[in-house]
Amino acid sequence: SYVLTQPPSVSVAPGQTARISCGGNNIGSKSVHWSQQKPGQAPVLVVYDDSDRPSGIPERFSGSNSGNTATLTISRVEAGDEADYYCQVWDSSSDQVVFGGGTKLTVL
Amino acid sequence: QVQLVESGGGVVQPGRSLRLSCAASGFTFSSYGMHWVRQAPGKGLEWVALISYDGSNYNYADSVKGRFTISRDNSKYTLYLQMNSLRPEDTALYYCAKTGPVGGTPNDAFHIWGQGTMVTVSS
Repeated sequence: SYVLTQPPSVSVAPGQTARISCGGNNIGSKSVHWSQQKPGQAPVLVVYDDSDRPSGIPERFSGSNSGNTATLTISRVEAGDEADYYCQVWDSSSDQVVFGGGTKLTVL
Repeated sequence: QVQLVESGGGVVQPGRSLRLSCAASGFTFSSYGMHWVRQAPGKGLEWVALISYDGSNYNYADSVKGRFTISRDNSKYTLYLQMNSLRPEDTALYYCAKTGPVGGTPNDAFHIWGQGTMVTVSS
């Protein structure tokens, strides 16, 4: 089955740029979606189809996808961005949705 | 506004059954694919099942295949998850989620999530 690999944690100072990776075999050929989950809350979609943003999501959130790595980039990080972030793809070989293990973003 | 409200969770013994519901409002339910996703306490997200907008296509995670059944009643704006032969490892918060585009494909992102309903499988 298809595996998505995320770093367990990423730390960044306020105002800096956070980059969260999501690795998978030839992930660049798939559409990658990213969701944010704050403690005690349901997930919220922040980037879909590699780099599109839902309405209401700040432009500080952006995504890219190429080769074997997709990346969620959060510019000018704020304390309110502290959350778990999950990448997601559709694996057509198994007809299943696959989530990465999640990355905890800590704002120092 | 677009809203998904899950219900039906609770404490159940191993081997027993439970049916979850997800009531949708604020959008044309019959036009969108829907998913169930679960999250065990302190763990990450795990996809469970999907159903197409018209109920004609569905897929399951290997961990629930043969035990869980996803269905929908478009006239009632409701999504269901019938869970049979429950195991302790099925203990989780169960979310329903709505995909983005009308009609859509299994590849679509989850644009709206409910708040979840907790299922605990324990003797």
